[in-house]
Amino acid sequence: DAGITQSPRHKVTETGTPVTLRCHQTENHRYMYWYRQDPGHGLRLIHYSYGVKDTDKGEVSDGYSVSRSKTEDFLLTLESATSSQTSVYFCAIGFSSGMLTGELFFGEGSRLTVL
Amino acid sequence: DQQVKQNSPSLSVQEGRISILNCDYTNSMFDYFLWYKKYPAEGPTFLISISSIKDKNEDGRFTVFLNKSAKHLSLHIVPSQPGDSAVYFCAASEGGGATNKLIFGTGTLLAVQP
Repeated sequence: DAGITQSPRHKVTETGTPVTLRCHQTENHRYMYWYRQDPGHGLRLIHYSYGVKDTDKGEVSDGYSVSRSKTEDFLLTLESATSSQTSVYFCAIGFSSGMLTGELFFGEGSRLTVL
Repeated sequence: DQQVKQNSPSLSVQEGRISILNCDYTNSMFDYFLWYKKYPAEGPTFLISISSIKDKNEDGRFTVFLNKSAKHLSLHIVPSQPGDSAVYFCAASEGGGATNKLIFGTGTLLAVQP
């Protein structure tokens, strides 16, 4: 158990409203990631973080922002949700010690529906 | 442009037989490859990986083969069990895995029939 908690696990919202998803980890890992999973697209990287206040864009970052003010929390914000952002969002942490293996450990996901 | 491709959306196999899941990639800079398994309503879980300096890695019933010249990897599951029924994602990264930024394929749904 990598100690990752995502909240909320399910959310239904309306187009145009802001939404924030939270990822919390208990093991002080440096690397954190947000992915979205959609049918026919697999998992796609939205944003990632290499440490506090150190974030960067992934392949599908438009319409999303992130913040990491503490090591344990990585927030994903949709400033104005659209129906195309209906998806399942996964947070992941990457271990970094010596030789990196590239493995990510995923949370259980947050299912977001934008009406 | 899909850098990691899994061309078979689904695969059905009888219990006890071999399951072979395939993955192709286009980026020659990828040097680390992984397979993840995902059950419904759960997050993906790491299964097995292989570095580009190897052509085979084995872990129990799971073996991953890498053919760099063909930019192709495959996951073999022998013998297949009903509990193996899940979606399998192939993933790749470059830079020796230093960034852990994984690029995923679209997944293959494996159904193992009892």
